[in-house]
Amino acid sequence: AQSVTQLGSHVSVSEGALVLLRCNYSSSVPPYLFWYVQYPNQGLQLLLKYTTGATLVKGINGFEAEFKKSETSFHLTKPSAHMSDAAEYFCAVALNTGFQKLVFGTGTRLLVSP
Amino acid sequence: ETGVTQSPTHLIKTRGQQVTLRCSSQSGHNTVSWYQQALGQGPQFIFQYYREEENGRGNFPPRFSGLQFPNYSSELNVNALELDDSALYLCASSLKGREETQYFGPGTRLLVL
Repeated sequence: AQSVTQLGSHVSVSEGALVLLRCNYSSSVPPYLFWYVQYPNQGLQLLLKYTTGATLVKGINGFEAEFKKSETSFHLTKPSAHMSDAAEYFCAVALNTGFQKLVFGTGTRLLVSP
Repeated sequence: ETGVTQSPTHLIKTRGQQVTLRCSSQSGHNTVSWYQQALGQGPQFIFQYYREEENGRGNFPPRFSGLQFPNYSSELNVNALELDDSALYLCASSLKGREETQYFGPGTRLLVL
């Protein structure tokens, strides 16, 4: 069964610092991988996705993630944090068992201080 | 292009009652999935509908049921509400064959007292 592990329930950075949110997955087949962001009292917004092709994926708001098969990782990064990046971030893997469903990690709350 | 919408935004029910949540898919999307997000947790897959039929189901009891209509809008029904059903319920739409890319609505927050 596929699963997702997000290391760190909370990550704190200063404005302008590098953001690194970690995600590891377990999958017996090449996965589809996603990062979603959730702002307070809102639904999920797709940040970026990896399906096939280039392993470095660029998303919205300056975020990017790199699929590393050898490390079974899909870490999310942003060179310079902004106050507006403060939110909950979820890594997800698409599980295909005749239909597609998303399996989410438990989330990482990003805190950005001035 | 209209995004995914959900109604109501908030709902309070008592244990044992029944609730219906509604979702309108993004324009052109024919597949809808429902997820339950408990406080402090990631979303958990409930089920998926395509062509008005349940296409797949997660580990939820039968008192969680759904409908999809010809216009691809959808309902989630929960009978015999329990306290643990308190959560944010998220609807996501996608295209058949591209279900891996799902677009989420803002959710309905359900509180069961």
